[in-house]
Amino acid sequence: DTEVTQTPKHLVMGMTNKKSLKCEQHMGHRAMYWYKQKAKKPPELMFVYSYEKLSINESVPSRFSPECPNSSLLNLHLHALQPEDSALYLCASSQGGPSNTEAFFGQGTRLTVV
Amino acid sequence: GQNIDQPTEMTATEGAIVQINCTYQTSGFNGLFWYQQHAGEAPTFLSYNVLDGLEEKGRFSSFLSRSKGYSYLLLKELQMKDSASYLCAVRGPSGGSYIPTFGRGTSLIVHP
Repeated sequence: DTEVTQTPKHLVMGMTNKKSLKCEQHMGHRAMYWYKQKAKKPPELMFVYSYEKLSINESVPSRFSPECPNSSLLNLHLHALQPEDSALYLCASSQGGPSNTEAFFGQGTRLTVV
Repeated sequence: GQNIDQPTEMTATEGAIVQINCTYQTSGFNGLFWYQQHAGEAPTFLSYNVLDGLEEKGRFSSFLSRSKGYSYLLLKELQMKDSASYLCAVRGPSGGSYIPTFGRGTSLIVHP
């Protein structure tokens, strides 16, 4: 199983809503990532969890709140988003640690904030 | 941090060979990746180089020169389905971890 599964695939939310994006992998990977990608731009790193601990937060606004309940799951909680936050949100995972190899990506959640 | 440069767009003919270049500057280097991304889809892994030289995988090959901060992705026998964005990603140190940072991507258009 080399899949990273993200739900939902599409999400439309208002600026006062609270929603969560979910990501799951069963490859035994210990590093998990959230990336944000706008149209015709490369993925931009938001957060990295390494061994279930937040190791990198790339100055992301507090309206995005990550959570790693266990080694297989990664959530991104959304609250009071702005229209400019509309983007493709990609989850990825990799082995982590000294033998870190390539990152596998999920299919993404297409988020639209209205 | 990392600075990664690749051409914005390239065009090629079906059946031909195309080479997509990537140059990078990084304070620490721990591998270079190439990903393919079709519009609206997730990036898919193509190749990984950490030592100098050429890695071949079917129609795709990737080359790395660490001393020159240079890599290329070579696509042979181009097919229409190869039209996509090709992302070069360099893994370097960040906050005690090694994290891949993506270049802006090269949009490849394959025409008949």
